[in-house]
Amino acid sequence: RKEVEQDPGPFNVPEGATVAFNCTYSNSASQSFFWYRQDCRKEPKLLMSVYSSGNEDGRFTAQLNRASQYISLLIRDSKLSDSATYLCVVPATGGGNKLTFGTGTQLKVEL
Amino acid sequence: DAGVTQSPTHLIKTRGQHVTLRCSPISGHKSVSWYQQVLGQGPQFIFQYYEKEERGRGNFPDRFSARQFPNYSSELNVNALLLGDSALYLCASSLGYRAGDYEQYFGPGTRLTVT
Repeated sequence: RKEVEQDPGPFNVPEGATVAFNCTYSNSASQSFFWYRQDCRKEPKLLMSVYSSGNEDGRFTAQLNRASQYISLLIRDSKLSDSATYLCVVPATGGGNKLTFGTGTQLKVEL
Repeated sequence: DAGVTQSPTHLIKTRGQHVTLRCSPISGHKSVSWYQQVLGQGPQFIFQYYEKEERGRGNFPDRFSARQFPNYSSELNVNALLLGDSALYLCASSLGYRAGDYEQYFGPGTRLTVT
């Protein structure tokens, strides 16, 4: 099993739609998780951190299911500007700064 | 405030050559990590340096090496370049040592093409 797995997409959705991405992770000891956003040919930028069962920031909601070892990201009322690749990220346990990234899920929001 | 800076922006090298990539972290950040991102994949961890010492190494060959200077800037060196080394090389800086405790900020990357 890969350390972090995501559906690569692409997800093509109309403006205003609600879209959800799932991510599974293999290390049951992982305590914190991140969603990063990466625009085409740009660097990844932190979108949300998830430390407990979930986190909400405006139109974005992240949920964590430790029993099933998956994290989800929900985007409500999609905007054209939400078009990007969304990376599920699991930090190293036990020390160090290593981040393990999924392959990313590509989202295209269309008129 | 200046973010993470990397140089050069783009680079074209031929197989067998050597390359040096540079990174300046955000002021006050002591940790620098390097990642390689090939097209269609997420970034892969190469190295972490914290307080000028190597604190982590990913699954990369010995052709890859790095160092951190007293001002916390860092260099990534790759020897004997292969076509497969073509990628976006990202530098990330953070305040502290542990990935779960401190946000990592990425630089714009260096796009390396090996021909």
